[in-house]
Amino acid sequence: DVKVTQSSRYLVKRTGEKVFLECVQDMDHENMFWYRQDPGLGLRLIYFSYDVKMKEKGDIPEGYSVSREKKERFSLILESASTNQTSMYLCASSLINRGSRNTIYFGEGSWLTVV
Amino acid sequence: DAKTTQPPSMDCAEGRAANLPCNHSTISGNEYVYWYRQIHSQGPQYIIHGLKNNETNEMASLIITEDRKSSTLILPHATLRDTAVYYCIVYPLEGTYKYIFGTGTRLKVLA
Repeated sequence: DVKVTQSSRYLVKRTGEKVFLECVQDMDHENMFWYRQDPGLGLRLIYFSYDVKMKEKGDIPEGYSVSREKKERFSLILESASTNQTSMYLCASSLINRGSRNTIYFGEGSWLTVV
Repeated sequence: DAKTTQPPSMDCAEGRAANLPCNHSTISGNEYVYWYRQIHSQGPQYIIHGLKNNETNEMASLIITEDRKSSTLILPHATLRDTAVYYCIVYPLEGTYKYIFGTGTRLKVLA
């Protein structure tokens, strides 16, 4: 089974701190994604990547950056955390050529609280 | 911009069929309809998908209208463990795509 692992399940950070959220997938997927999820707003796409060192902005990239130095790893970076970035963050991955089934695999989520 | 619309919430009695609708009137010819569900505090998980024919697997059935502008996910005998948020999303089989999940339908199965 595909496994998408997010490094931290729960984090508490201070305003202004630099925060790294790490995600690793073990199925050689080309595509990787970072979403945030807030009550009443559903899943919103922050950034995605279709290859090493490649990245594309999603719908809400402001305040975030990403890094993909290796195919299996996609990092979300909050350069200077703010309280409005308190949220649950979800990492996901998928293949580009998926044959008869195109499934997106998600990690368990990282709950970030910025105080 | 969400390509699908779903009711925000639904209730269903335990043991009864849960029918979750989804509108996707702007679906393209190469896009499939996928359903995922998210149980509280976990990441969404795949349920089922289809192009134009009805589909069934061990978890659910998917009914897609002939014009492909809407679909219904059917959980034939809902249990309390089916309480979750259900997302309908359309996308093609290949390529890199900005998967837009929207807000989904929060299904509550009542004892």
